[in-house]
Amino acid sequence: DTGVSQDPRHKITKRGQNVTFRCDPISEHNRLYWYRQTLGQGPEFLTYFQNEAQLEKSRLLSDRFSAERPKGSFSTLEIQRTEQGDSAMYLCASSLARDSQETQYFGPGTRLLVL
Amino acid sequence: AQKITQTQPGMFVQEKEAVTLDCTYDTSDQSYGLFWYKQPSSGEMIFLIYQGSYDEQNATEGRYSLNFQKARKSANLVISASQLGDSAMYFCAILGGTSYGKLTFGQGTILTVHP
Repeated sequence: DTGVSQDPRHKITKRGQNVTFRCDPISEHNRLYWYRQTLGQGPEFLTYFQNEAQLEKSRLLSDRFSAERPKGSFSTLEIQRTEQGDSAMYLCASSLARDSQETQYFGPGTRLLVL
Repeated sequence: AQKITQTQPGMFVQEKEAVTLDCTYDTSDQSYGLFWYKQPSSGEMIFLIYQGSYDEQNATEGRYSLNFQKARKSANLVISASQLGDSAMYFCAILGGTSYGKLTFGQGTILTVHP
């Protein structure tokens, strides 16, 4: 059983550029989550999908951020006009709605550095 | 709203000894789940153990056990027989019944295992 995968693992960009990250969840999982983690902090929730529907968005997700899960499988997170404050680890997780624990399994993350 | 407090920024333990990592939580939900994750320096969040709010028994998973004291709102992680590979950041997290998939994490505790 392959775990959650994320691409790229590292991204360095200049301020003002757009970046896009991809997440492939565990194949039978119907829920997918994005979190952001800054240095020395715990992850903070950004958004969550059940199948292709985006059901919850944090106020952290400004209008420069957009996430999609077009066919209910992989998801993309795009950041437009990046700012230095966007530098962080972006973590994706997935879970199975039928699982009473709703355990979220995380990918390796994408480390973003905005210069 | 949910809140997790981890008061130990860092902990040290001798190899083969047991260690307890503290976690207290606050929630208005009657039904909730508590999770512990391990994050090595590589960045991936690894699920360790889960405790449901209605579970009467403390959860155990191999060398990990969760000391759940509901009245005190604490969910401490106990690692027995520490190994060098246990050196990592450890996060406690809560999923409330009304959280719609949003895990709320604490600040984390860095565990260092000495040989």
